[in-house]
Amino acid sequence: DAGITQSPRHKVTETGTPVTLRCHQTENHRYMYWYRQDPGHGLRLIHYSYGVKDTDKGEVSDGYSVSRSKTEDFLLTLESATSSQTSVYFCAISGHNEQFFGPGTRLTVL
Amino acid sequence: GQQLNQSPQSMFIQEGEDVSMNCTSSSIFNTWLWYKQEPGEGPVLLIALYKAGELTSNGRLTAQFGITRKDSFLNISASIPSDVGIYFCAGLVGQGGSEKLVFGKGTKLTVNP
Repeated sequence: DAGITQSPRHKVTETGTPVTLRCHQTENHRYMYWYRQDPGHGLRLIHYSYGVKDTDKGEVSDGYSVSRSKTEDFLLTLESATSSQTSVYFCAISGHNEQFFGPGTRLTVL
Repeated sequence: GQQLNQSPQSMFIQEGEDVSMNCTSSSIFNTWLWYKQEPGEGPVLLIALYKAGELTSNGRLTAQFGITRKDSFLNISASIPSDVGIYFCAGLVGQGGSEKLVFGKGTKLTVNP
């Protein structure tokens, strides 16, 4: 297994609260990604990073921000969670074209 | 933006049968990847394809990168119960630091013993 961990694995929060999800890798890969997975939509890219402090938006970036202060950690923040952000969030890493996924975080916004 | 059409959406088969699923697009991709996802887990990479026309096998799995670079298929031979899961295709677009994957919506496979 690629060395990717996500924390927390499950979280229940209330609308309007800030939430931060963490992705940690031990592979020293340059690229890291955040996806959300919803029924009927498959996996959709939220944000990605191509190096420390280098990030860019994906197709569903509204309401999300990211930060990458060191190679091994990529944080996804929901500044003010909404019910539409209830989803399963996956982190992925890539060294050369192939992406490897973490175990996921199930987030429920009430 | 780019879209991948993956079919079929779901399959119900008997153990021992062969399975075929495919992805098509109107866009050209540089790389095709096939993933399997089991309940409660992240997608796991099964096969990666890098060249148009490439045919690659991984055990009972065989995948091909279409010659037009707009499609790919995955075959599973002699299915077994542990093949159950959702299979996703993904195409890689971009280069030079902006590479991104576009995913199909998945094929849900059920294998009856």
